[in-house]
Amino acid sequence: NAGVTQTPKFRVLKTGQSMTLLCAQDMNHEYMYWYRQDPGMGLRLIHYSVGEGTTAKGEVPDGYNVSRLKKQNFLLGLESAAPSQTSVYFCASRLNSAGRAGELFFGEGSRLTVL
Amino acid sequence: RKEVEQDPGPFNVPEGATVAFNCTYSNSASQSFFWYRQDCRKEPKLLMSVYSSGNEDGRFTAQLNRASQYISLLIRDSKLSDSATYLCVVNMDFNKFYFGSGTKLNVKP
Repeated sequence: NAGVTQTPKFRVLKTGQSMTLLCAQDMNHEYMYWYRQDPGMGLRLIHYSVGEGTTAKGEVPDGYNVSRLKKQNFLLGLESAAPSQTSVYFCASRLNSAGRAGELFFGEGSRLTVL
Repeated sequence: RKEVEQDPGPFNVPEGATVAFNCTYSNSASQSFFWYRQDCRKEPKLLMSVYSSGNEDGRFTAQLNRASQYISLLIRDSKLSDSATYLCVVNMDFNKFYFGSGTKLNVKP
């Protein structure tokens, strides 16, 4: 009963390094999201996807890229990490259903520190 | 201006108390509303949806006031296990959910 799984859970990077966060869901959800959470800011949407092969920008997309090559996976990439990208990153997925349109299922989060 | 605003708290209450949180949203075209709960260093989880007519789930009651653009959450008979951060979430189109920064609740024995 995995739900939404994020890897890695912790990572420390140096400025300028690149990395990819992987999100995998086993619930056959159409919609997937990447958020970042910073103290006092709430969760902010980075990018999202409404289905395999499609992605779209959220509120704070700069410095990030995403890909959704398979329905179950949503990858978040940092090409050149900056200290401002130090945050907790959450992946979420959602069923394409009006009846339960509000229920986002979250992964456990990935804590990224950029030095 | 933030899309969703919440009082960050913390609200420190004794066990058994009734506590209420409010949340305001800026976009009058917002379509659906929710309360999520987030425990320390954990992921958010859906607590309840908020309907126009108001809805109740056990000790929890949610209300929506579209005219004033605010949402409320009432917790009765607070338990120690209710200690968490409560996130107000507003859906402004089918794909985007805007989160408030959360209200922290500490229930003390």
